[in-house]
Amino acid sequence: EAAVTQSPRNKVTVTGGNVTLSCRQTNSHNYMYWYRQDTGHGLRLIHYSYGAGNLQIGDVPDGYKATRTTQEDFFLLLELASPSQTSLYFCASSDGTGDTEVFFGKGTRLTVV
Amino acid sequence: QQKVQQSPESLIVPEGAMTSLNCTFSDSASQYFAWYRQHSGKAPKALMSIFSNGEKEEGRFTIHLNKASLHFSLHIRDSQPSDSALYLCAVSISSGTYQRFGTGTKLQVVP
Repeated sequence: EAAVTQSPRNKVTVTGGNVTLSCRQTNSHNYMYWYRQDTGHGLRLIHYSYGAGNLQIGDVPDGYKATRTTQEDFFLLLELASPSQTSLYFCASSDGTGDTEVFFGKGTRLTVV
Repeated sequence: QQKVQQSPESLIVPEGAMTSLNCTFSDSASQYFAWYRQHSGKAPKALMSIFSNGEKEEGRFTIHLNKASLHFSLHIRDSQPSDSALYLCAVSISSGTYQRFGTGTKLQVVP
């Protein structure tokens, strides 16, 4: 089964702080995604990538940067964290995009105080 | 932009009952339809998917898809307490686009 590992699992930061969330997948998937999950909004796509050096915007990209350094590693950067970015963040990967199963990591709980 | 909505928001059913979850989408060009299940504190995990109109059965789970009605559903036969979870539907237009998820239905199956 596809393995997607996220770190850290929990993070607390202050408003205006910098945060980097890390994700590594070990299944040679081309596509990687960052989602946030909030009650009442479901899973919303922030950014995704189809290979090293590539970045595509999702549905809620404002306030987030992302970088795909290798096929395995995808990072989400919050350079000026705000309380509205308090959320549960999931990284995911898949072979393709729209019509293949998406495999999720265990999530990172981020709290911005 | 594709809108994906689920109903009901939450559901409590007795063990052994049939459970029905609904998902509507807004883009008639949608081609891929899937259900994911997320147990409390865990990652979402794909349950099953369908491409064509009609139904698909896997064990106790059945998907019904009606593209003309912009609707698909998940039916769980003989619901078990272990089925208690958040159920997310996902839709995509084609292989070149990403899946959009609904807001989820929280299912609780009580003994």
